[in-house]
Amino acid sequence: SQQGEEDPQALSIQEGENATMNCSYKTSINNLQWYRQNSGRGLVHLILIRSNEREKHSGRLRVTLDTSKKSSSLLITASRAADTASYFCATNTGNQFYFGTGTSLTVIP
Amino acid sequence: GAGVSQSPRYKVTKRGQDVTLRCDPISSHATLYWYQQALGQGPEFLTYFNYEAQPDKSGLPSDRFSAERPEGSISTLTIQRTEQRDSAMYRCASSFRGPGGELFFGEGSRLTVL
Repeated sequence: SQQGEEDPQALSIQEGENATMNCSYKTSINNLQWYRQNSGRGLVHLILIRSNEREKHSGRLRVTLDTSKKSSSLLITASRAADTASYFCATNTGNQFYFGTGTSLTVIP
Repeated sequence: GAGVSQSPRYKVTKRGQDVTLRCDPISSHATLYWYQQALGQGPEFLTYFNYEAQPDKSGLPSDRFSAERPEGSISTLTIQRTEQRDSAMYRCASSFRGPGGELFFGEGSRLTVL
């Protein structure tokens, strides 16, 4: 069974707008990671945030983590058509990674 | 190798046949994971290896599924007596830092059971 759930399931925005997607999970974690998947390809790691961190930035990406609410959000600023993909959060618990159901992002040029 | 390599990319088999999928991880990576991904879903954990040890195989759906990594590098996932519900994308990922580190995924093996 999957640990995380992303919200929304699908998101469509205009190029240049910001995209926010959320992830909720159920148990304590070591860290939380976000991955991108283009059209059935392999998943690509975007960013990792540890359980003792609250916010992290990487380029146009901003991730927040609220362990009290067991939730995380991924913000993509100034979106581009190339950002069109599915985005998954993955919670690391012990030796395992549990992936959520994903958010499908479409960026319209 | 430069990246995680999986073979075959596509496999079509008849119900009841055995299939073996192969994963060649990044050469410096100690930890290797197998996931099953249904269309439109996130990857589901199957099992993982730390070198040749297999500490956790709790995600394997039945005893028809088994995985090996005898020399701590290449891994195989074998599904015996395949069933139509086994049809999915099977993804392999490896990690340098061990459990908890960043995962590097292969392109996957798409299995179709007729």
